[in-house]
Amino acid sequence: DAGVIQSPRHEVTEMGQEVTLRCKPISGHNSLFWYRQTMMRGLELLIYFNNNVPIDDSGMPEDRFSAKMPNASFSTLKIQPSEPRDSAVYFCASSIAGGLTDTQYFGPGTRLTVL
Amino acid sequence: GESVGLHLPTLSVQEGDNSIINCAYSNSASDYFIWYKQESGKGPQFIIDIRSNMDKRQGQRVTVLLNKTVKHLSLQIAATQPGDSAVYFCARGGNKLTFGTGTQLKVEL
Repeated sequence: DAGVIQSPRHEVTEMGQEVTLRCKPISGHNSLFWYRQTMMRGLELLIYFNNNVPIDDSGMPEDRFSAKMPNASFSTLKIQPSEPRDSAVYFCASSIAGGLTDTQYFGPGTRLTVL
Repeated sequence: GESVGLHLPTLSVQEGDNSIINCAYSNSASDYFIWYKQESGKGPQFIIDIRSNMDKRQGQRVTVLLNKTVKHLSLQIAATQPGDSAVYFCARGGNKLTFGTGTQLKVEL
């Protein structure tokens, strides 16, 4: 299995621009998670989906952030407009069913730099 | 509120020695914990987990101990190797993983 796939691996953009991060979960996994990692705040859960439906988006920082999962094999995290404080590594993870003891498998991350 | 954290930000060990990484938690509704390893430039990788009905669980070269009385868990790595160099996170399990701050393990040759 190829594992969780994320693109791009690196993104550099200017403040105010729209940024779209992409994720392909492991085939057969029904839950997908978006995380953000910074030195100051560590790993934070932004949002997660079960069967393509957003279950909890309480971690989404503000309205500038939005996430979609149009089908079982694809999800996007969009930031519009982007700000320098959004600079971080964004990880996507997937698990079989999102249950209490289901292991989450992480992708390699997208390193976002907003100038 | 619930929290999970680690005791030391950095741990240096000699190659071949055993490593012990500690983690404390509080007020957890979930006694299910996972240890993740994150190498530079990569995403967190599952190492081992432990559930509330267990005090100890062993994997290949790794052992996790859970002390529910004092709300503490540890990850022990036997015969530490250079490839073990990474940041190690304990996480409280559930639909929403809550990660600790991480411990950087440095293996000295």
